[in-house]
Amino acid sequence: SAVISQKPSRDICQRGTSLTIQCQVDSQVTMMFWYRQQPGQSLTLIATANQGSEATYESGFVIDKFPISRPNLTFSTLTVSNMSPEDSSIYLCSVAKQGNTEAFFGQGTRLTVV
Amino acid sequence: QQQVKQSPQSLIVQKGGISIINCAYENTAFDYFPWYQQFPGKGPALLIAIRPDVSEKKEGRFTISFNKSAKQFSLHIMDSQPGDSATYFCAASRGNQFYFGTGTSLTVIP
Repeated sequence: SAVISQKPSRDICQRGTSLTIQCQVDSQVTMMFWYRQQPGQSLTLIATANQGSEATYESGFVIDKFPISRPNLTFSTLTVSNMSPEDSSIYLCSVAKQGNTEAFFGQGTRLTVV
Repeated sequence: QQQVKQSPQSLIVQKGGISIINCAYENTAFDYFPWYQQFPGKGPALLIAIRPDVSEKKEGRFTISFNKSAKQFSLHIMDSQPGDSATYFCAASRGNQFYFGTGTSLTVIP
């Protein structure tokens, strides 16, 4: 298994500002992912955070809006840039280990943009 | 296009009853089908999972039934308890690429 610590757990931010969310894992993992979960909806993959290279973004998500860093095998950040109320959502970090199909999730960051 | 379709959206069950949540998928390349349980304010946690080479998997009160030909799978919660009240997500994956259903909000009333 993997223990994932995600910070902050929640935040209320002003429109036009940016928020960086941190994800720390207790062991080295191959894959790290960032999801968005809008109220009452499913999990939507934003991007795969690649160690040592640029993140791979899903359709509808761009690096300028959601820059991602992954400096090592246990840590990643997601920044939500130039926020608008439409960005209000829960953002989840997820990890998977090499050869293991199971995905583990952090507790999420509940973001409210006012 | 929704890769995994889940129903119902919400479910209310009496304590001791059976909760049944259904999912369907299209891509026959999927090879792993997990169910996740999510409580308010928490991230999803793996509940039970199945691979397509078996038709059923049981862990305690939780059972997955898998119908490969119909491309459907379901979660059965036997003897449902108020503590089971949560949102349940099915998922289908190949490698580390996961696709999630839209979630089912389960309420078990005493």
